[in-house]
Amino acid sequence: DSGVTQTPKHLITATGQRVTLRCSPRSGDLSVYWYQQSLDQGLQFLIQYYNGEERAKGNILERFSAQQFPDLHSELNLSSLELGDSALYFCASSVGQRDYNEQFFGPGTRLTVL
Amino acid sequence: AQSVTQLDSHVSVSEGTPVLLRCNYSSSYSPSLFWYVQHPNKGLQLLLKYTSAATLVKGINGFEAEFKKSETSFHLTKPSAHMSDEAEYFCVVLNAGGTSYGKLTFGQGTILTVHP
Repeated sequence: DSGVTQTPKHLITATGQRVTLRCSPRSGDLSVYWYQQSLDQGLQFLIQYYNGEERAKGNILERFSAQQFPDLHSELNLSSLELGDSALYFCASSVGQRDYNEQFFGPGTRLTVL
Repeated sequence: AQSVTQLDSHVSVSEGTPVLLRCNYSSSYSPSLFWYVQHPNKGLQLLLKYTSAATLVKGINGFEAEFKKSETSFHLTKPSAHMSDEAEYFCVVLNAGGTSYGKLTFGQGTILTVHP
């Protein structure tokens, strides 16, 4: 158990809908990272927040957004969902704002868009 | 730009035999390199990391990797495979400069199968 929690574990929804994925980092970690894992794209970095502020952006679509709250939990919002958004979404956390240190991954949220 | 190539999408070994998972990287800057493991229906776990200290890095569960700058490789090895090693393994490079500074780039993954 990494100490990172993600809810929900599974999410099934329809095209055009909007969903919110939630992540709670390990106690003491200030950085939260979001990743998408799909069969065709592999594992891709989406976005990073550090202590409430956006720190780095990867291959995140404009339909997706994220935020980190004062209690350091983070939410990833996916809107106007398409079939291709079906994937496993991971959250990870680390102590610092750079990736020199280990990132601890949550168990993931599996999103299925029908 | 940084990139990672895992040379085998699948590796199959017998229990008790050595494991070799190959990884080549490309980086414009001095890289930090990692190996992560993902067991079925689980999140990723760090096996080991190289951050410009010793070139031979020892990780958890008997795994180790050697950083070879001349070959731009960071292959993962284990002397003797166990059934519990069955998983997908990801080679990862830390972007150490440029517009992607501080971001991880993942390889496509290698699925390790261990036969009894």
